Amino acid sequence: SQTIHQWPATLVQPVGSPLSLECTVEGTSNPNLYWYRQAAGRGLQLLFYSVGIGQISSEVPQNLSASRPQDRQFILSSKKLLLSDSGFYLCAWSPIGQGVGSPLHFGNGTRLTVT
Amino acid sequence: DAKTTQPTSMDCAEGRAANLPCNHSTISGNEYVYWYRQIHSQGPQYIIHGLKNNETNEMASLIITEDRKSSTLILPHATLRDTAVYYCIVRVGGSNYKLTFGKGTLLTVNP
Repeated sequence: SQTIHQWPATLVQPVGSPLSLECTVEGTSNPNLYWYRQAAGRGLQLLFYSVGIGQISSEVPQNLSASRPQDRQFILSSKKLLLSDSGFYLCAWSPIGQGVGSPLHFGNGTRLTVT
Repeated sequence: DAKTTQPTSMDCAEGRAANLPCNHSTISGNEYVYWYRQIHSQGPQYIIHGLKNNETNEMASLIITEDRKSSTLILPHATLRDTAVYYCIVRVGGSNYKLTFGKGTLLTVNP
């Protein structure tokens, strides 16, 4: 069966420090991968999605970047964190090529607090 | 993707059916209705989805109106563990889709 791992679960970082959040998927090949952010009291916002290695689409201009160095690995990064980067970050995957019938499968998220 | 409208919050007694409505009056013919839920501090969990016909799985039932402009998620016997935010979203299929979640409905199941 497929599983998704996301770490760390919680993170406290000072303003101006770098960030690296990692997500890996097991049990499937060539998945679509996604990074979402959920600010307190708000819905989920799609940040990045990827349909293959090295292929990243950004949904909103921001202080963050994403990379996909391997088929089942998705990394969210920042060179210098801002206070506004605080939030709940979620990684998700879905099977590629099965669009209409494929729900998203989410990790358990990383709660980032920038101080 | 079509926009959806959901009530901000709902209450349900434990053991009773929970009926969560969703309006999606601008849905187009190739858009599916999906339901997810999110328990506090966890990632969202997929529940069910459908296009035109009513659907049922081990978690819930999805009733879609004939004109497809609204739908209802039914949890037949709500438990305390069903307390969560429920998201209704519609989207077009295809391999490069993406989702935008709104604020959803906070369902509180009371003992």
